[in-house]
Amino acid sequence: QITLKESGPTLVKPTQTLTLTCTFSGSSLSTSGVGVGWIRQPPGKALEWLALIYWDDDKRYSPSLKSRLTITKDTSKNQVVLTMTNMDPVDTATYYCAHRAAVAVYFDIWGQGTMVTVSS
Amino acid sequence: QSALTQPASVSGSPGQSITISCTGTSSDVGGYNYVSWYQQHPGKAPKLMIYDVSNRPSGVSNRFSGSKSGNTASLTISGLQAEDEADYYCSSYTSSSTQVFGGGTKLTVL
Repeated sequence: QITLKESGPTLVKPTQTLTLTCTFSGSSLSTSGVGVGWIRQPPGKALEWLALIYWDDDKRYSPSLKSRLTITKDTSKNQVVLTMTNMDPVDTATYYCAHRAAVAVYFDIWGQGTMVTVSS
Repeated sequence: QSALTQPASVSGSPGQSITISCTGTSSDVGGYNYVSWYQQHPGKAPKLMIYDVSNRPSGVSNRFSGSKSGNTASLTISGLQAEDEADYYCSSYTSSSTQVFGGGTKLTVL
């Protein structure tokens, strides 16, 4: 059974850098084809795809946010970290991490999400 | 990349069928058979309902089906039930090797 859980600050100030950690179990980023991604959802709005990292350290970013995002992995800890720089109130959202199985092009398992508010 | 276009809302009575459309471009929906659909109940994380246009994960009711024609994908729910009331999002692989979501559709079961 694959599970994922997001952790990080609930409140950040404008211009600060957000660091979120996704800790997962039941899968491994040492397995060929596996990936873990990040998706966010502002209150009352739609899902937005942010970034994805693969087992081989290949990384993909949303074109509109690429300059602000960095995704990394720690395979030994089964963790994926997302950093987002220069936070703004419009970045207030629930941030989800999600699992992508080998040879899949979809997220089969999602974390519960973590709400991040950007406010001074 | 622009978000895929979905109707803001659809509704149907119990037992009826509804269809939610998801329109993209030849760089995403039209270019790949990699459309997925997610169901999201209020306050919950999204749940995968359909992948690769028309495949259902284990455990998902066969009342849910997916299809695609050109740049538009569709999710059909037959035999509507009260528990189907939720938000539905489509997603597609893109020519940039990323993914894009739709704007979401709120399904109301009357």
